[in-house]
Amino acid sequence: DGGITQSPKYLFRKEGQNVTLSCEQNLNHDAMYWYRQDPGQGLRLIYYSQIVNDFQKGDIAEGYSVSREKKESFPLTVTSAQKNPTAFYLCASSIRPLTGDTQYFGPGTRLTVL
Amino acid sequence: GESVGLHLPTLSVQEGDNSIINCAYSNSASDYFIWYKQESGKGPQFIIDIRSNMDKRQGQRVTVLLNKTVKHLSLQIAATQPGDSAVYFCALLLEGQLTFGSGTQLTVLP
Repeated sequence: DGGITQSPKYLFRKEGQNVTLSCEQNLNHDAMYWYRQDPGQGLRLIYYSQIVNDFQKGDIAEGYSVSREKKESFPLTVTSAQKNPTAFYLCASSIRPLTGDTQYFGPGTRLTVL
Repeated sequence: GESVGLHLPTLSVQEGDNSIINCAYSNSASDYFIWYKQESGKGPQFIIDIRSNMDKRQGQRVTVLLNKTVKHLSLQIAATQPGDSAVYFCALLLEGQLTFGSGTQLTVLP
């Protein structure tokens, strides 16, 4: 069953802690993306990766880090430097980067900072 | 840069009626447009897309219309059903990145 999986669905952390959100896809897509969604706003791009071992900052990369060691995996770390980390985080992938290929989304992880 | 706006944050329709959700954009260089549906607590789901060389595309119960002259995109849902209740948002591709609108919450009334 092909698709994009994100885990966990809900995540809680204390202030000052780093936390890593998982994103895995078995669609054989080259490109992967992380977005942040806040109430009443459109999705904002955090980071994206066009190929293994490569990634680029999006519009709101400060306080976040990523890695792309495998084609299937694109984990996102929310660091303590992120001032307002409580949000819904969405991972997406597309066949190829920077083209008119549809991005397909995972189910999301809701992060709450206590 | 690109700005994307939806005309209405909320829309209520009677079950069985047609729904029309609108989206306006600012950059005429955008050449690929997507509509997504997002149910509460879930990730966005692709509905339909259209490229700038077209002005209309139809899917199952959905139609997307693109008016490049006025930079306007719309999603029409025929015979709206309770399962259509969700947030709908448009996304535009420009310089390799998607820019998303904030979404319209569609509520289907019985």
